[in-house]
Amino acid sequence: DAKTTQPPSMDCAEGRAANLPCNHSTISGNEYVYWYRQIHSQGPQYIIHGLKNNETNEMASLIITEDRKSSTLILPHATLRDTAVYYCIVRVAGGGADGLTFGKGTHLIIQP
Amino acid sequence: NAGVTQTPKFQVLKTGQSMTLQCAQDMNHEYMSWYRQDPGMGLRLIHYSVGAGITDQGEVPNGYNVSRSTTEDFPLRLLSAAPSQTSVYFCASTPLENQETQYFGPGTRLLVL
Repeated sequence: DAKTTQPPSMDCAEGRAANLPCNHSTISGNEYVYWYRQIHSQGPQYIIHGLKNNETNEMASLIITEDRKSSTLILPHATLRDTAVYYCIVRVAGGGADGLTFGKGTHLIIQP
Repeated sequence: NAGVTQTPKFQVLKTGQSMTLQCAQDMNHEYMSWYRQDPGMGLRLIHYSVGAGITDQGEVPNGYNVSRSTTEDFPLRLLSAAPSQTSVYFCASTPLENQETQYFGPGTRLLVL
């Protein structure tokens, strides 16, 4: 699986859009970009994933650059409950039991 | 659905003791996995299962055993606990029809003295 690079921490004001970057310059053509988050003392939670097109669901939007070497997770209207560690993961689709490689992620702190 | 449940929530063991961490899911997911998370670190895969009767090793399997006799349950056994196994343990399940999404349990905090 390709490696990812994320900033260790970010702040965002409540109600504003939170934009979390991720670099994955060695991504392969068949690898997807996944985002999970982990709220303090809880298990990780799936947010969104994509291959090359931008994706949106009820939680967030995922913007993937045309060369696929980086992506941005957007939380459109951040709330205090969005304070968490956000993990960007790159891997081949499928094989859902054999593990996701979680790095250290980005600690997003939403400020009131 | 209760989703993925884990018991106990917290456990203290002495070195050399054995115990089983329980994990159950009521979503009829084929795939299940065990991870550990150490302070300031990401999650590391211990063991996983793609169906009843089938298990395989992950990144850090030493000191742990698993079995999968039913679709619902995937217990993790520590045969002889060591202080290095102090960690938070997460169980996850994944549906066959949507392998992109893993559903995690709330975790078990284990302290080995």
